[in-house]
Amino acid sequence: GQQVMQIPQYQHVQEGEDFTTYCNSSTTLSNIQWYKQRPGGHPVFLIQLVKSGEVKKQKRLTFQFGEAKKNSSLHITATQTTDVGTYFCAGGANAGGTSYGKLTFGQGTILTVHP
Amino acid sequence: DAGITQSPRHKVTETGTPVTLRCHQTENHRYMYWYRQDPGHGLRLIHYSYGVKDTDKGEVSDGYSVSRSKTEDFLLTLESATSSQTSVYFCAISEASRGGRAEQFFGPGTRLTVL
Repeated sequence: GQQVMQIPQYQHVQEGEDFTTYCNSSTTLSNIQWYKQRPGGHPVFLIQLVKSGEVKKQKRLTFQFGEAKKNSSLHITATQTTDVGTYFCAGGANAGGTSYGKLTFGQGTILTVHP
Repeated sequence: DAGITQSPRHKVTETGTPVTLRCHQTENHRYMYWYRQDPGHGLRLIHYSYGVKDTDKGEVSDGYSVSRSKTEDFLLTLESATSSQTSVYFCAISEASRGGRAEQFFGPGTRLTVL
């Protein structure tokens, strides 16, 4: 079945440093979504990418979808303490059948920001 | 936040006892999902539903069953709880109209401990 690997598992940064997490799928994806989970909270949707090579930005966050639609990255510029949490990528199955919106989640990257 | 509630929020039970977790939504979304979250594994899909009485297995369905008799309610049952089912359980919903590419909205989670 579809597998989505995410690295690194943990990242500790000083406030102001940049952060990147990478996601790699074993199969071509229809779309990729990113979620953030604050400590003790639930995952919250950040963004979705659907096109090959797509790049989207949200303030200090930059999301990329690879040309082959098998990998993705999230880059945070100049981290702040409010960025603390776990970041998950989640891949949607490629078209060809009814996916029912199912997603395969990566293991997540736990980001710690030291002030 | 989307109108999703989960009950109970916390439960401690003993091995061998049946447990039912409830997910209730007020958004009238067609798709509903049950995940478990464990350290190092991210979110893994247990079961999902694509309509009333329409359910199917996810990647970690052994030992779990589900039912959906109304659009708004999705129940997850552990027929005979085991210690390996100690986890945090999240319910999620998504809207079907966007061709399976809709974002998922998560409930607050249920922390289950099986002694």
